[in-house]
Amino acid sequence: EAQVTQNPRYLITVTGKKLTVTCSQNMNHEYMSWYRQDPGLGLRQIYYSMNVEVTDKGDVPEGYKVSRKEKRNFPLILESPSPNQTSLYFCASSLHGSGYEQYFGPGTRLTVT
Amino acid sequence: RKEVEQDPGPFNVPEGATVAFNCTYSNSASQSFFWYRQDCRKEPKLLMSVYSSGNEDGRFTAQLNRASQYISLLIRDSKLSDSATYLCAVNRGSTLGRLYFGRGTQLTVWP
Repeated sequence: EAQVTQNPRYLITVTGKKLTVTCSQNMNHEYMSWYRQDPGLGLRQIYYSMNVEVTDKGDVPEGYKVSRKEKRNFPLILESPSPNQTSLYFCASSLHGSGYEQYFGPGTRLTVT
Repeated sequence: RKEVEQDPGPFNVPEGATVAFNCTYSNSASQSFFWYRQDCRKEPKLLMSVYSSGNEDGRFTAQLNRASQYISLLIRDSKLSDSATYLCAVNRGSTLGRLYFGRGTQLTVWP
């Protein structure tokens, strides 16, 4: 089944404790991206990757890191999480870029206390 | 100015009603336009792409107005199952990697 998977789905952590949210797609998509969704602010793009080893900042990259060492995986790293990073995070992939249909993962609900 | 502006609603309509949502975008170089549907904090899913000539999919019609820089979504004969949040998305022509979403418009269809 074609899909985007994210892990974990739910995470409660404390300020400053490094964490990684994994994202994997099995559709051989070139483009992957991360979004956060907050009430009243909508979906905002954090980082995106056009292909392996090619990443770029989205709208709200501060406090986040990403890497794209393999085509299928695009982990999101929070080196020192803070409470303002409490949010619902979505990973997405598409065939070639932002002009194509985005396939979203199920989301990761992160709470930083 | 925000890249994409969308009226958050909420829109509450009876079954069978016709409802329309608009979404304005600020960058005239934008090339691709979409409507996504999101159910109660689940992942967004593509409802339809928006083409220059307008396009229709059953009860749903999407329009693009480049001169006024907005896209619209029309839902005819609303069903209870149409209750969801509708998100518009626009990419920026000069930076094809970036994709901008509106805040979403919440629709509730009541019996």
